[in-house]
Amino acid sequence: AIQMTQSPSSLSASVGDRVTITCRASQGIRNDLGWYQQKPGEAPKLLIYAVSNLQRGVPSRFSGSGSGTDFTLTISSLQPEDFASYYCLQDFNYPLTFGGGTKVEIK
Amino acid sequence: QLQLQESGPGLVKPSETLSLSCTVSGGSISSSSSYWGWIRQPPGKGLEWIGTIYYGGSTYYDPSLKSRVTMSVDTSKNQFSLKLTSVTAADTAVYYCTRRHRVGSGIYHIDYWGQGTLVTVSS
Repeated sequence: AIQMTQSPSSLSASVGDRVTITCRASQGIRNDLGWYQQKPGEAPKLLIYAVSNLQRGVPSRFSGSGSGTDFTLTISSLQPEDFASYYCLQDFNYPLTFGGGTKVEIK
Repeated sequence: QLQLQESGPGLVKPSETLSLSCTVSGGSISSSSSYWGWIRQPPGKGLEWIGTIYYGGSTYYDPSLKSRVTMSVDTSKNQFSLKLTSVTAADTAVYYCTRRHRVGSGIYHIDYWGQGTLVTVSS
């Protein structure tokens, strides 16, 4: 199975900060990488698919980049509603595998 | 607007079988571009993919659970189901049903999730 290593596992940031979260795959996954946001008590929500495609309704401050094995989620200006956990998911082959998650907390 | 809703017991005894269903509304489970699946999240932990089923019956399971998992589809009810046998406390989790959607040639994403249902394994 492809291992997804996500970092950092947690971070503290302030409103307005630029935040970057990374995921590294144990092998190449083309562009089959998505990012999800999860708030406490809620189901995850798709933010970005195929590395850099913004899901409908997701604010443009979210962006994704990368290729092959290294991928990045960037929040350009952190908003109060962005404090949550974030997960990457490789959709290249089965079994699908998630990164370990990043909890974004208020500084 | 597609909606997914999980249903099933919230408490299962150790060694017994966990059974959940997911009802799909606002769309057809027989859509050729949709794959249906289950993901779980143990309390305070990350997301774990369990498996996926296509309406025609093709299944893909996580290797660590494969010997205990069965998924099925009932197109007449627009539902799909999960059975997990011989459960232990380690299977305690919130279980989400999901849709994996093909949006283009070779491009997929999991775009719809149920609200999740907590299943506790305890005697």
